[in-house]
Amino acid sequence: GAVVSQHPSWVICKSGTSVKIECRSLDFQATTMFWYRQFPKQSLMLMATSNEGSKATYEQGVEKDKFLINHASLTLSTLTVTSAHPEDSSFYICSASGGDPYNEQFFGPGTRLTVL
Amino acid sequence: AQKITQTQPGMFVQEKEAVTLDCTYDTSDPSYGLFWYKQPSSGEMIFLIYQGSYDQQNATEGRYSLNFQKARKSANLVISASQLGDSAMYFCAMRLSGSARQLTFGSGTQLTVLP
Repeated sequence: GAVVSQHPSWVICKSGTSVKIECRSLDFQATTMFWYRQFPKQSLMLMATSNEGSKATYEQGVEKDKFLINHASLTLSTLTVTSAHPEDSSFYICSASGGDPYNEQFFGPGTRLTVL
Repeated sequence: AQKITQTQPGMFVQEKEAVTLDCTYDTSDPSYGLFWYKQPSSGEMIFLIYQGSYDQQNATEGRYSLNFQKARKSANLVISASQLGDSAMYFCAMRLSGSARQLTFGSGTQLTVLP
């Protein structure tokens, strides 16, 4: 099956700093990537959808200036949490879709962000 | 708008027994796909099984089967011969056709397999 990686797997940062999370499709070209946020014992909430070479589409209630998403190539998307605060602490998961007939999404292993 | 409902926050099952995790959905779109994912404590999302709205037969993948009742809009996951490693969070999800492949997830069911 297709493999999606995320880096880092966990990060701790101070309040006010920015954190960048990378999502890579290792063995296929991801025309679409998705970013999810998950709080403990809760479901995945879609934050935004990004297509290679175009601006991301953010879900209602997600601050686009705070969560910067870049999908510059068919194998890489990045999520930058700007001026992070403790309430941004969460588990961030990306998924990638490569336009296969079933439009299956392949998930990355997730990044646990803790903001002190 | 589409909606996925999982009414069982937690379930317990004895090892080697079968267990059914409930999932109901709501959509007016005639074309959709239903997914089940497993999320162990490590956090990774593991794809288990898929059912298309036009599929005539219930999907099966090894010990996993999907009890698809279209008229009732339910897509329950059945795990046969439960194993200790099946203890995890399970999510039901739906994707509409032409929705840019977006998935809508249910709230999840925490399954615990007892020895």
